[in-house]
Amino acid sequence: DTAVSQTPKYLVTQMGNDKSIKCEQNLGHDTMYWYKQDSKKFLKIMFSYNNKELIINETVPNRFSPKSPDKAHLNLHINSLELGDSAVYFCASSQLAEQFFGPGTRLTVL
Amino acid sequence: AQTVTQSQPEMSVQEAETVTLSCTYDTSESDYYLFWYKQPPSRQMILVIRQEAYKQQNATENRFSVNFQKAAKSFSLKISDSQLGDAAMYFCAYRNTGNQFYFGTGTSLTVIP
Repeated sequence: DTAVSQTPKYLVTQMGNDKSIKCEQNLGHDTMYWYKQDSKKFLKIMFSYNNKELIINETVPNRFSPKSPDKAHLNLHINSLELGDSAVYFCASSQLAEQFFGPGTRLTVL
Repeated sequence: AQTVTQSQPEMSVQEAETVTLSCTYDTSESDYYLFWYKQPPSRQMILVIRQEAYKQQNATENRFSVNFQKAAKSFSLKISDSQLGDAAMYFCAYRNTGNQFYFGTGTSLTVIP
């Protein structure tokens, strides 16, 4: 069974569109995260979500919004996509000291 | 704020040899965790090794070991008997007491046959 799953794995879309990436974890973890990895492989935290407490990296544009329907899911919604949003987006979850990553979603904005 | 620095953007090692990847971090906390993650071309992030700050003993996982120097805020990764499958990006990461993770900029490791 996959611990942290993301869909889709690849997403190609036009500038200006709105898109969502789904994330699910079956580990029973309390905290979930979204990271952005750019073309230089820099990995930056975007959000963390723990028991309905959302911690936002202040550098993230408000076009990005996380939605957590339940403890096992943390989806990422992106409005008005821009070229600079092209990247790999990783979902992760953690409990205690372990953090597990999903396979990543490669987003390409044309 | 916590920061993690990896000063070696690229490293290479001959197969079967040993290589050490450097990592330093900045924090005012005394209780935290440190990690090394591996990211092969498949882009999956794989946990290599973990170190609890309160433990003086350096963590070891098979061919992977760390040199944790708490006072110097240094956390290097040693890979012994390097194998072709070790070629990847390696990220050093820090976790604070608030369960927030901070990553370094990565070191790209090439293994030469």
